[in-house]
Amino acid sequence: QVQLQASGPGPVKPSQTLSLTCTVSGGSVSSGAYYWSWIRQHPGKGLEWMGNIYYSGSTSYRPSLKRRLSISVDTSKNQFSLRLSSVTAADTAVYYCATTGQWGDPFDIWGQGTMVTVSS
Amino acid sequence: SYVLTQPPSVSVAPGQTARITCGGDNIGTKTVHWYQQMPGQAPVLVVYDDSDRPSGIPERFSGSNSGNTATLTISRVEAGDEADYYCQVWDSSSDHPNVVFGGGTKLTVL
Repeated sequence: QVQLQASGPGPVKPSQTLSLTCTVSGGSVSSGAYYWSWIRQHPGKGLEWMGNIYYSGSTSYRPSLKRRLSISVDTSKNQFSLRLSSVTAADTAVYYCATTGQWGDPFDIWGQGTMVTVSS
Repeated sequence: SYVLTQPPSVSVAPGQTARITCGGDNIGTKTVHWYQQMPGQAPVLVVYDDSDRPSGIPERFSGSNSGNTATLTISRVEAGDEADYYCQVWDSSSDHPNVVFGGGTKLTVL
């Protein structure tokens, strides 16, 4: 059974780049069986899908984040990562990594979430 | 972009039936997934593909989808069902495929 563990830096200053990592256990990021996604939740708000990556490196991003967002895979560490540039207070949120079997499938596996606060 | 609309809150007494709706343009032509989120925890899938239940989810949870409304139904509601519930679809209707979540519904058990 695949398990996901998100980790991040904690506080980030405005205009900096936010970097998060999701470590995969019980499965391989190189597997063609999964799409690897990042989803965030602003404090007291709903869920917002940010983007995903397939093992091939193919990515899809939320249109509103496309200019600032990059998702990548590190097969040597069995991890996938998020980089969000030029952050502002509006990027303060809990960030979840999650996975789906195929495009259109549900997010059946979620990491525990990591809180990121953007503050000077 | 595609929009999913959920009521902010639904209240129900223990033992009764809760119905949480998710509205969207011709949502009946899409596949809907539902998630339960307890405070401080990651979401958990409770219904997928409109009406299927993952292993371990009680039969009290069911779903339907037709026309412009999808519905999550929780029968014989228990205090432990109190949580936020989100519907979700994959939207491939534009040049930029996207994942869409509803705004969420807080279920209160009276």
